[in-house]
Amino acid sequence: AQKVTQAQTEISVVEKEDVTLDCVYETRDTTYYLFWYKQPPSGELVFLIRRNSFDEQNEISGRYSWNFQKSTSSFNFTITASQVVDSAVYFCALSERGGYNKLIFGAGTRLAVHP
Amino acid sequence: SQTIHQWPATLVQPVGSPLSLECTVEGTSNPNLYWYRQAAGRGLQLLFYSVGIGQISSEVPQNLSASRPQDRQFILSSKKLLLSDSGFYLCAWSVGGRGYTFGSGTRLTVV
Repeated sequence: AQKVTQAQTEISVVEKEDVTLDCVYETRDTTYYLFWYKQPPSGELVFLIRRNSFDEQNEISGRYSWNFQKSTSSFNFTITASQVVDSAVYFCALSERGGYNKLIFGAGTRLAVHP
Repeated sequence: SQTIHQWPATLVQPVGSPLSLECTVEGTSNPNLYWYRQAAGRGLQLLFYSVGIGQISSEVPQNLSASRPQDRQFILSSKKLLLSDSGFYLCAWSVGGRGYTFGSGTRLTVV
């Protein structure tokens, strides 16, 4: 069965610090997708990135970067030079091709960036 | 364009009352549809998913049920709400599992 673990419940940093959010997943499928979402206080889910299981290239988008390592089943998310606007709950999620494309979420990491 | 409508945005209901939350999708056909719940301060739990009209799969036993009377309509219901049903409910759709579109959510408070 698919499972996503985000071991960090809450992280608190000061503005301009770099912060890494960890995500470890479990799946028996060879074809799957990994996602990161941001949930601000308003509640809506903001899509950040999708990675498929055959693409291990790391990705950078502005201050955001993602490190996908199949060998350790991890898909970590780093925010460089954090800002107060980055404060939110971040979810890592996994969908398997063979599992009716159910999107299973980790428990989330609450990030607080202080000025 | 592809959009998803979910209503109401907020709802306060007494214990024991019925519930009906509706979600409709536009701009796509035969999507997979999902209902998620987020209890206060918790993660997103998948409640139900549907791969077609009338096809509902439940992920967790609970006081809720779901129905899909039309291809792009997904309804979450309860006959009698419990306090523990309070939470933030999100509807989502996907085609192929490569991307998911979420509704804006319904914040349900059972009092």
